[in-house]
Amino acid sequence: DIQMTQSPSSVSASIGDRVTITCRASQTIYDWVAWYQQHPGKAPRLLMYSASRLQSGVPSRFSGSGSGTDFTLTISGLQPEDLATYYCQQAYSFPLTFGRGTKVEI
Amino acid sequence: QVQLVESGGGLVQPGTSVRLSCVVSRFVFSSYAMHWVRQAPGKGLEWVALISNDGSETHYGDPVKGRFIISRDNSKNTLYLEMKSLRDEDTAVYYCARGGGLAVAGIIGGDFDSWGQGTLVTVSS
Repeated sequence: DIQMTQSPSSVSASIGDRVTITCRASQTIYDWVAWYQQHPGKAPRLLMYSASRLQSGVPSRFSGSGSGTDFTLTISGLQPEDLATYYCQQAYSFPLTFGRGTKVEI
Repeated sequence: QVQLVESGGGLVQPGTSVRLSCVVSRFVFSSYAMHWVRQAPGKGLEWVALISNDGSETHYGDPVKGRFIISRDNSKNTLYLEMKSLRDEDTAVYYCARGGGLAVAGIIGGDFDSWGQGTLVTVSS
């Protein structure tokens, strides 16, 4: 199984800050990575796919990068509504696996 | 707006069975792979199962293999998850999700581009 190691597990930041979350795959997965946002008590929401493609309707302050084994989700200009937990996910092979999540606190 | 609505959750005893349903609308159900993803209380996301758009191919996560069955009825726009031999560790919110654009093992839909609101399954005596 492909392990997705996500860091940090939590981050505290101020409004307007730039926040970076990283995810490392246990083997190369090219750009077969997606990122999700989950607000407390809500279903997850797809933010990015193919590592760097922004899902329709997602604000442009979200961006993704990386390929191979190392991936990054960046929030440029943190907003109050960005308080949430973020997950990476690999779609390279079965079983599909997620990182353990990063909680962003304002 | 794509809509997915799960049902069938509740309190069940260990060793018993339950079937979850997910009724979808506002998209062509038969064109998409579908998934079940679960989240134990206070924990992260765990992929459970995938079914291809025509139902010909299924894949399961190791913890549920041999106990859970994913199926679909494209004429009813409905996805199912039959859960057998339930264990305490199966307690979770179960989400149905539509497969997105990433291809996994030749199946389009390896990511999750739309989600239902989830249904809670509690396994406890």
